Amino acid sequence: AQKITQTQPGMFVQEKEAVTLDCTYDTSDPSYGLFWYKQPSSGEMIFLIYQGSYDQQNATEGRYSLNFQKARKSANLVISASQLGDSAMYFCAMREGTGTASKLTFGTGTRLQVTL
Amino acid sequence: ETGVTQSPTHLIKTRGQQVTLRCSSQSGHNTVSWYQQALGQGPQFIFQYYREEENGRGNFPPRFSGLQFPNYSSELNVNALELDDSALYLCASRPGLAGLDTQYFGPGTRLTVL
Repeated sequence: AQKITQTQPGMFVQEKEAVTLDCTYDTSDPSYGLFWYKQPSSGEMIFLIYQGSYDQQNATEGRYSLNFQKARKSANLVISASQLGDSAMYFCAMREGTGTASKLTFGTGTRLQVTL
Repeated sequence: ETGVTQSPTHLIKTRGQQVTLRCSSQSGHNTVSWYQQALGQGPQFIFQYYREEENGRGNFPPRFSGLQFPNYSSELNVNALELDDSALYLCASRPGLAGLDTQYFGPGTRLTVL
């Protein structure tokens, strides 16, 4: 079973509009972290936002917010006021547990294209 | 910029050869992980090093090996290269093993195997 599922291979959004990128996850570990990364065509993975499984409030970082619905096991990324520079691949990732060998598991990504 | 650097940026090898990729972690980070990202896929975890010892490994064969040095920089070695090893190789560092702290990635090394 996929641990991280991103069902939108590609999304289009107009400049200045908001967009939601979907992510669902599967884990039985009570302690986990959810991450979103942006990958421009240059290849570098840029950290955007983090949500811990015990966090009571949804994480926000500037124009990025994470809509965390624990019961539904979803962690959608919301980008407000899209900009042309937001065009990139976006990956949702999860780390399970803490301490040793806690790796990141990534989804297959969503390609976001921001249009004028 | 994250402070994580990788070299070289691009590399072309032929099948059967060996390759070494290098990573310098962000200052103060003693944990380094390596990921392989095939075209059109998300990154896949190869292994992780903490204080010079491997302490986690993904589903990769033994011909993928690594090292971490006292300054926490790291190498990824791949022997007997295969065509499917063509990918972007990403290195990520974080401050330690405890907690769910964020990993910061380098720009990657793009390996092409002909």
